[in-house]
Parts: sequence; structure tokens; C-alpha cells
Amino acid sequence: GENVEQHPSTLSVQEGDSAVIKCTYSDSASNYFPWYKQELGKGPQLIIDIRSNVGEKKDQRIAVTLNKTAKHFSLHITETQPEDSAVYFCAASNSNAGNMLTFGGGTRLMVKP
Amino acid sequence: DGGITQSPKYLFRKEGQNVTLSCEQNLNHDAMYWYRQDPGQGLRLIYYSQIVNDFQKGDIAEGYSVSREKKESFPLTVTSAQKNPTAFYLCASSIVWSPGYTGELFFGEGSRLTVL
Repeated sequence: GENVEQHPSTLSVQEGDSAVIKCTYSDSASNYFPWYKQELGKGPQLIIDIRSNVGEKKDQRIAVTLNKTAKHFSLHITETQPEDSAVYFCAASNSNAGNMLTFGGGTRLMVKP
Repeated sequence: DGGITQSPKYLFRKEGQNVTLSCEQNLNHDAMYWYRQDPGQGLRLIYYSQIVNDFQKGDIAEGYSVSREKKESFPLTVTSAQKNPTAFYLCASSIVWSPGYTGELFFGEGSRLTVL
């Protein structure tokens, strides 16, 4: 089955700096890669996703890149703000298997004002 | 407001007792899911349901049971057979579940179960 590794497990940055979170996956058939943000006491929320037919996707301060050859994908947050502080999860799935996501272990991002 | 409601938010249980966690959605979604969250392990799938009266085991179904008698409801029972039940449990839904479809999961706010 699929295995998703996520690094780092914790990340502390100064407000205004950039943050990068990296994930690797094992199943070359995976073709859908979402990122979820979990604020304290809340359930995770989808913030951005990418499919294997594109290499990069941006949404304001957030971007995701995908390298299918190396089987890794990354989340980039620019101009970080205190409200970006949360736990971030990457995930991967093969659409042929339906909506069956395998999640990474999570990254706790702390943005210091 | 449409969404997923989980209850209770916090639950304490003695060893040997079964407990049931409630999950209700008013999004009119066909598919529902239960995940378990442990520190550093991400989210692991316990059970999922594609449609009413149907459900399938996920990666860690042992010691858990579910039912799906109504589209809006997908309760999870943590039985005494679950060896390490203390965890944060998340319920989610998606529009559908079918081969070829991948899309957003909508999560509830979770239930934290502690076994004393």
C-alpha cells in the first residue's frame, strides 16, 4: 500500500519568512495530492491540492510543487502570518482506488510574531 | 450552516466499556469516513461508507464497529476489543466515493476519547 513520509515534524519561522514542508510517497500510481490545515481544536481543512498532470499550483501565498519522478511534493507558504500557525498534513491517493487518502504524519508550524 | 457535527467533544471511558461516537452531516454527501489521529502518525482510516447501508473496513478497523442506517449519520462504536482506544477521532464526508473520484474531505471537529 501507499506510504507517505512528511518532514519536518515541527517548524518554527519568524513572521514574514517562508515555510516549506516536504512529503514523499511510495506508490507511483498515486495521482492526487492534497494538503490539509488543522487549527487547534478543529478538524482538518483542505487548503490546496494538486493532481499528477501538473507540476505546480498556486493560491495567493500558498503553492504546491510535485515531482513525479522523485515521488515527492512540497507545500510552500510565503510571507507567513501568525494565523498560519497550525498542523499541516499532506496526503496521497490513487483515484482508481476511490477517495482513499494516505496521510503523512503532520507538521506543526509555529509562526512567531 | 452545512457541516459535520461530532459529539461528544470529550469522552472518558473505563476499560472494558463500549462507547459510541456520533457523527451527523447535513451536506447531503453520499460518502462518510472515520479517522483516528495519534500524535506523529497522521490520520488513519478506520471505516468508510460509500452509501447508506454499506460500509467497508479501513486500515485499522479491529476493535471498532459502525452503522450507516441514514445518509446523514455514521456512528462509530469503540469496543472493549480495541486495545489502545485513547485517541482523537475525526469523522469526515465527501460528495461521493467511487473509483476515479478524488475530492475534498470535509471534517468534523473531532471527539477525544480517553480510557481511564
